[in-house]
Amino acid sequence: GENVEQHPSTLSVQEGDSAVIKCTYSDSASNYFPWYKQELGKRPQLIIDIRSNVGEKKDQRIAVTLNKTAKHFSLHITETQPEDSAVYFCAASVGTGNQFYFGTGTSLTVIP
Amino acid sequence: EAGVAQSPRYKIIEKRQSVAFWCNPISGHATLYWYQQILGQGPKLLIQFQNNGVVDDSQLPKDRFSAERLKGVDSTLKIQPAKLEDSAVYLCASSAGAFFSPLHFGNGTRLTVT
Repeated sequence: GENVEQHPSTLSVQEGDSAVIKCTYSDSASNYFPWYKQELGKRPQLIIDIRSNVGEKKDQRIAVTLNKTAKHFSLHITETQPEDSAVYFCAASVGTGNQFYFGTGTSLTVIP
Repeated sequence: EAGVAQSPRYKIIEKRQSVAFWCNPISGHATLYWYQQILGQGPKLLIQFQNNGVVDDSQLPKDRFSAERLKGVDSTLKIQPAKLEDSAVYLCASSAGAFFSPLHFGNGTRLTVT
């Protein structure tokens, strides 16, 4: 089955700096890559996603890049704010079965 | 749109007892998932339903865990008997089931086994 690895496990940045979280996947059939943000005690919520036919997608301060050849994708958060502090999970999905495999999470702390 | 509903929010039981969790997905979502999230880890898929049929239950410990989705809507997940290592948050999620449809999660049930 699919194996998703995520790095780093913890990340601390100063407010206003950028944060980058990286994930790799093993199954070349994976074609959909969502990112979820989970605040303490709350449900994971979708923040951005990318399909395999797209190399980059942006939504305000958040962007995701995908390198299909290398089988890795990354989340970029610019101008970080304290409210960005949370655990972020990447996931890979094989579209035919709509099955999702998650990374182990990155705990992001934005220091005011 | 109403989100994924789960109950209870918290449950504390002793080992060897049984427990059941309930999930009501977003209306019209054909695919329903149960995930186990141990503290500090990513969600791990336990079982995936498409309507009322099982798509994937390869990681469900079938000697103690069971799940059903009668009528293709609500679902229940049961653990009997519970072990200490079952302490986790149990997340239910649903998806429209089409290609590139994201998961929508419920608030989860935090289970503590003592």
